[in-house]
Amino acid sequence: AQSVTQLDSHVSVSEGTPVLLRCNYSSSYSPSLFWYVQHPNKGLQLLLKYTSAATLVKGINGFEAEFKKSETSFHLTKPSAHMSDAAEYFCVVSALNFNKFYFGSGTKLNVKP
Amino acid sequence: DAGVTQSPTHLIKTRGQQVTLRCSPKSGHDTVSWYQQALGQGPQFIFQYYEEEERQRGNFPDRFSGHQFPNYSSELNVNALLLGDSALYLCASRGTGIGETQYFGPGTRLLVL
Repeated sequence: AQSVTQLDSHVSVSEGTPVLLRCNYSSSYSPSLFWYVQHPNKGLQLLLKYTSAATLVKGINGFEAEFKKSETSFHLTKPSAHMSDAAEYFCVVSALNFNKFYFGSGTKLNVKP
Repeated sequence: DAGVTQSPTHLIKTRGQQVTLRCSPKSGHDTVSWYQQALGQGPQFIFQYYEEEERQRGNFPDRFSGHQFPNYSSELNVNALLLGDSALYLCASRGTGIGETQYFGPGTRLLVL
């Protein structure tokens, strides 16, 4: 069985400060992990993905995530938040065949000026 | 190159009615998945279509059915609508290669009164 737990439903940061969105996963298989972002009234956009290659994954817009098998974590980070980063972020786990995605419940990121 | 497109964008139905939602995959993609995103929750996998057949299914009742056409476009049908079916319905497409990224459409927002 596969599942994802996003540890924070809301995160609020000031513009220019670091962002940390936490995700823990459970998987019966060697997992593939993703982070997607959803802006209001827009579709889900892929930020980055981990598929058993390098454990530190760099994505778009300055985001990156580190796969830590021992901690079953895949936290999303960004060194400096921008106002345009305000959105909802979803951590996703899938088996390697990518046939079925399991989403976390989402973390809403608020960026204060 | 158009991404994943969905129609309609919004829909209002009453309990007991039937609804059909439509999805056109990204060019070159032949696999289509449908997800339900209730308010305040992460998307949940409904089913996936490949080669005009349902290949995988999530934990949804038989009231939810689908179809894929030879041009890879897809429909989601929901019969005997319940108030709880109110949600954003997302379509996602990908190619069949190992590790292919899944791309999401903007969704159809369904309101059942």
